[in-house]
Amino acid sequence: EPEVTQTPSHQVTQMGQEVILRCVPISNHLYFYWYRQILGQKVEFLVSFYNNEISEKSEIFDDQFSVERPDGSNFTLKIRSTKLEDSAMYFCASREGRVGQETQYFGPGTRLLVL
Amino acid sequence: DAKTTQPNSMESNEEEPVHLPCNHSTISGTDYIHWYRQLPSQGPEYVIHGLTSNVNNRMASLAIAEDRKSSTLILHRATLRDAAVYYCIPISNFGNEKLTFGTGTRLTIIP
Repeated sequence: EPEVTQTPSHQVTQMGQEVILRCVPISNHLYFYWYRQILGQKVEFLVSFYNNEISEKSEIFDDQFSVERPDGSNFTLKIRSTKLEDSAMYFCASREGRVGQETQYFGPGTRLLVL
Repeated sequence: DAKTTQPNSMESNEEEPVHLPCNHSTISGTDYIHWYRQLPSQGPEYVIHGLTSNVNNRMASLAIAEDRKSSTLILHRATLRDAAVYYCIPISNFGNEKLTFGTGTRLTIIP
């Protein structure tokens, strides 16, 4: 069964450093998402991406964040200058996009630790 | 976004049926009711969804109240692997809807 994959599974970085989290969505999917989950808290929406542009973003997704789909398969989340409070699990998700097919498929996540 | 209310936690014995309730009294007429779950240390996982009629799939059943203000996820025979946090999430079938997760119900399965 097709699945969303994410790399790396764990990332440790120093405050102020740039990180890029990578995702490979399911191949025929058209909508892509990033969510994050701070330890012990709710899963929070960050951004959605469709047709090579951001379709919606949350208040969390400030100028330090960016997303890109550099080729036909990868979907990346970049944090330009990490802060301690960026430490969280980051989940990528994708959705097929057919009407009535709203199911989002999530990857296993990247655990980011900012020191 | 429609507001949802779920019990914080529930327990069930292994191999017993589990009924997980959700109230979504402000749901829109075009919103589907989706259920996701999150196993420990994993990403959320789709379970089931429905609009008005009750639905069954290999994982669970979904019973939707006639007025659509509540629904119940039914696991027919809970296994240890079903221990997870379960979320009900109303989603519009129009547009590019993000998922808005609440705190969900933490289901503990007792061997």
